[in-house]
Amino acid sequence: AQKVTQAQTEISVVEKEDVTLDCVYETRDTTYYLFWYKQPPSGELVFLIRRNSFDEQNEISGRYSWNFQKSTSSFNFTITASQVVDSAVYFCALVTSGNTGKLIFGQGTTLQVKP
Amino acid sequence: GAGVSQTPSNKVTEKGKYVELRCDPISGHTALYWYRQSLGQGPEFLIYFQGTGAADDSGLPNDRFFAVRPEGSVSTLKIQRTERGDSAVYLCASSRSGGGGTEAFFGQGTRLTVV
Repeated sequence: AQKVTQAQTEISVVEKEDVTLDCVYETRDTTYYLFWYKQPPSGELVFLIRRNSFDEQNEISGRYSWNFQKSTSSFNFTITASQVVDSAVYFCALVTSGNTGKLIFGQGTTLQVKP
Repeated sequence: GAGVSQTPSNKVTEKGKYVELRCDPISGHTALYWYRQSLGQGPEFLIYFQGTGAADDSGLPNDRFFAVRPEGSVSTLKIQRTERGDSAVYLCASSRSGGGGTEAFFGQGTRLTVV
């Protein structure tokens, strides 16, 4: 079975706090890809990052960082020094090599950053 | 425009009616996907086109749902005999070639309400 679990339904933080969004995935495939998307109130899903299963290096992009650990099947996302504009729903998603790019999404985590 | 365009942005229809939702992908993208997003949930895959053909329609919930992409660009999702349970946001995405490692770009969605 292929599945993505985002256990945190909603998170509320105060601006400038750091926040980590958790993502746990399940797949039997050895080749797969993991994604994070942001969905602001406008509704459009915005691509943030893609990692393949062979690259476990952590990645940092500005205030965003991602921690990929195959041993725990996790792909967590940290926002450092959060800002009000980070408020959105964040989705983690999985694509396995054989399924033509079909994204399997988690249920999403709603992040509210208060001023 | 440069992005994925979906029309209409909102559609209200009566139970039992027929509706068509349109997706105009990014020019040159051969892969096109339809997803359905219910309130508070992550998007769920419906169908994937590679060029003009439906390469994977395993996510279509029943035979009331049908999609076409006759010239390999614009796609139309068609829903017959609509039911209240069909109310959701229907998202379209396109990517350059499909496959696991390819980034998908999403439109803003069509919010369908069946009354």
